[in-house]
Amino acid sequence: DTGVSQNPRHKITKRGQNVTFRCDPISEHNRLYWYRQTLGQGPEFLTYFQNEAQLEKSRLLSDRFSAERPKGSFSTLEIQRTEQGDSAMYLCASSLQTGYQETQYFGPGTRLLVL
Amino acid sequence: GDSVTQMEGPVTLSEEAFLTINCTYTATGYPSLFWYVQYPGEGLQLLLKATKADDKGSNKGFEATYRKETTSFHLEKGSVQVSDSAVYFCALISNFGNEKLTFGTGTRLTIIP
Repeated sequence: DTGVSQNPRHKITKRGQNVTFRCDPISEHNRLYWYRQTLGQGPEFLTYFQNEAQLEKSRLLSDRFSAERPKGSFSTLEIQRTEQGDSAMYLCASSLQTGYQETQYFGPGTRLLVL
Repeated sequence: GDSVTQMEGPVTLSEEAFLTINCTYTATGYPSLFWYVQYPGEGLQLLLKATKADDKGSNKGFEATYRKETTSFHLEKGSVQVSDSAVYFCALISNFGNEKLTFGTGTRLTIIP
């Protein structure tokens, strides 16, 4: 059973650079979520997709952030003009939405450090 | 809006001690409730869940009961092991809106031999 995978696991970048993260969900899962976790806090919702459609974005997701899920499979999260405040763990989760309140399965995360 | 309040950490216990981590929530409607665990260097793993009032979720010796009257979902284990050392997150999904998870701040648990 292949779980949710994320790449890269770690990213160090300089302020002002662009970064892109990838998430591969569990293969039959139709929903994909992005969360951000800062040190000592619980994860916070950023955005989610149902198949290829992006259905909601949090207020945390400024216009420097963009997410895509082409063809309803893997997803990418891009941060443009990174700032030191973007340093965090970025988590991806997926679920098979057949009813509601389904369990979300998380990947290992991508830890971003902006210098 | 929805929110989850967790017992402040860190918590340090001796092996075989009884564990309780408190969790209370605020949500409209009838949320589903979850406990996730994060072991050092790893991602979040689902520990247990409950989807309606009075349901008890259980896994690996951990239990939590969905108490609607007290809006609580406290995590318990009768005898903890060193391998239970991790960060534990209480979370909910509201039955209104977009199915996002709302998390508490997490409780770091350390078990000493």
